[in-house]
Amino acid sequence: AQSVTQPDIHITVSEGASLELRCNYSYGATPYLFWYVQSPGQGLQLLLKYFSGDTLVQGIKGFEAEFKRSQSSFNLRKPSVHWSDAAEYFCAVDWNYGGSQGNLIFGKGTKLSVKP
Amino acid sequence: GAVVSQHPSWVICKSGTSVKIECRSLDFQATTMFWYRQFPKQSLMLMATSNEGSKATYEQGVEKDKFLINHASLTLSTLTVTSAHPEDSSFYICSARVQGEQPQHFGDGTRLSIL
Repeated sequence: AQSVTQPDIHITVSEGASLELRCNYSYGATPYLFWYVQSPGQGLQLLLKYFSGDTLVQGIKGFEAEFKRSQSSFNLRKPSVHWSDAAEYFCAVDWNYGGSQGNLIFGKGTKLSVKP
Repeated sequence: GAVVSQHPSWVICKSGTSVKIECRSLDFQATTMFWYRQFPKQSLMLMATSNEGSKATYEQGVEKDKFLINHASLTLSTLTVTSAHPEDSSFYICSARVQGEQPQHFGDGTRLSIL
């Protein structure tokens, strides 16, 4: 079955430290890949996406993600975390390639806390 | 661009009443809209997908008579929670996109509390 795994439920990093949030997906084909961020009580904001081409994608707010086909992973990184980055981060995949149905499947999310 | 507005952002109502939540695409035509439900500290669960002018497609386990979805225009979809009960309390989020295009654009969500 298709699934998305975010193995880390909660991560705490110090402000200014680097960050990596992990995401793995199952299923043979390469889906469309997304990272979203959600602040408390808010909707989701798209950080970045990967459809094809260069496996290192740049997003907003200084985030980047690298697609590794051999590992079925799409990890999110940021070289220096800011206190405002504290939020919930969701990895999502679409195996329907933008077809008539959404089929956007989310991981369970990783909560990021930032220490001053 | 690609702004999705969801209204209301928070609603509290008595058990047994019906509640309507609106989802609007403000600057693009959304051929497809999605409704998600999010329980506290959990991920988003897709409830249904609606294409403009068609009946919504509900995910397994979602009661279509309880959660009425209407997508009458290319910029508006509504979710009506009928005869709401406390167990329907949740955070509901809509998203929208042009068919065949990515990504989905999300609204800010509606917190529904049923007393």
